[in-house]
Amino acid sequence: DFVVTQSPDSLAVSLGERATINCKSSQSVFYSSNNKNYLAWYQQKPGQPPKVLIYWASTRESGVPDRFSGSGSGTDFTLTISSLQPEDVAVYYCQQFYSTPQTFGQGTKVEIK
Amino acid sequence: QVQLQESGPGLVKPSQTLSLSCTVSGGSVSSGNYYWSWIRQPPGKGLECLGYINYSGSIYYNPSLKSRGTISIDTSKNQFSLKLNSVTAADTAVYYCARGYNSGWYGVWGYWGQGLLVTVSS
Repeated sequence: DFVVTQSPDSLAVSLGERATINCKSSQSVFYSSNNKNYLAWYQQKPGQPPKVLIYWASTRESGVPDRFSGSGSGTDFTLTISSLQPEDVAVYYCQQFYSTPQTFGQGTKVEIK
Repeated sequence: QVQLQESGPGLVKPSQTLSLSCTVSGGSVSSGNYYWSWIRQPPGKGLECLGYINYSGSIYYNPSLKSRGTISIDTSKNQFSLKLNSVTAADTAVYYCARGYNSGWYGVWGYWGQGLLVTVSS
């Protein structure tokens, strides 16, 4: 199985500041035939199901604020929240869907400092 | 807008079979070549995709289920289901049903039910 590891496990950021979450896959999730990275990011707020924010590593889902951005390729990826807002308090998961079984990272909890 | 809702018992005894259904509204399980999945989350832990199905008959099971799981579609009820037999305490989790974000996609889960907590205990 592809192992997906996120860092840090948690972080506290001041309102309006940048939050950065890293995601590393044990093997490359880049598919050269279509030039896509098979990686997605989800946001999960307490008591709610996950919500997809980004797929193909950097494509923002419709309606997701542009303060959320994804980057990276191959095995190393980053989710950046450029200016943290109160409603961004959540656990964030990355997921690889290049190989079966698709696997999720362990999650990163984002809080307000 | 498609909506999904899980249903089933919240408590299952060890060694018995966990049976869950997901009712779909605002769309049909038999159209659009969408994939329908079951994803679970043990309390305080991360997410595990158990498997997925589409109306054309394509089914995938996570090997972690060790052949204990069955996913099926019931078009008459516009539902899909999960059966997991020989459950243990390790199967205690919130179970989510979800739909692929786009037609033909089985990697990005764009629509989710609210989740159902299933506890395995005697």
